[in-house]
Amino acid sequence: NAGVTQTPKFQVLKTGQSMTLQCAQDMNHEYMSWYRQDPGMGLRLIHYSVGAGITDQGEVPNGYNVSRSTTEDFPLRLLSAAPSQTSVYFCASSYGAKPFSGANVLTFGAGSRLTVL
Amino acid sequence: TQLLEQSPQFLSIQEGENLTVYCNSSSVFSSLQWYRQEPGEGPVLLVTVVTGGEVKKLKRLTFQFGDARKDSSLHITAAQPGDTGLYLCAGNYNQGGKLIFGQGTELSVKP
Repeated sequence: NAGVTQTPKFQVLKTGQSMTLQCAQDMNHEYMSWYRQDPGMGLRLIHYSVGAGITDQGEVPNGYNVSRSTTEDFPLRLLSAAPSQTSVYFCASSYGAKPFSGANVLTFGAGSRLTVL
Repeated sequence: TQLLEQSPQFLSIQEGENLTVYCNSSSVFSSLQWYRQEPGEGPVLLVTVVTGGEVKKLKRLTFQFGDARKDSSLHITAAQPGDTGLYLCAGNYNQGGKLIFGQGTELSVKP
């Protein structure tokens, strides 16, 4: 059981380039989300999805796009990378559209470290 | 806007000492979670609290949810080097889809 798989693990981009961070889960989870983690800032929510075909914005959505065409996949797209998007990105998923009750566990991937020069 | 304030941000203690980490907000949570994160890995859920005044224990860790559901604390008794890591609180408001994290507490326990 792979859990939440993020690719790539490391990526270096030049300003203005585009790329997609991939996230896949094999647990049939309804809820998926993307966070970025910066020193002293904790994790900040970028976008989230409560099911296939449904996405919504988090705290810091600007500069990022998402889509959820299947239950398993939730890619995060950077259309024109900026140095301010240098960060570690985490994808997380949970069974059920409300992942915050005691019965549900939010499972995180291992992270993708992105550097924008 | 940072809705969750964690304190302290850094904590360095000796093995065997006790410590408390605080998580505060001006807003009411429908639920609150505590996570632990090690370098190079994603956060791992420790506990979820949903009822005001609730206390949960996980071995040497005690988690408390404030009566008004605006604050929480994590107390570690007799800390060990294996407790070293980043501790994060995360709150959910109005049972929506957003889980908002505090800025984290970096704990170092020295032998």
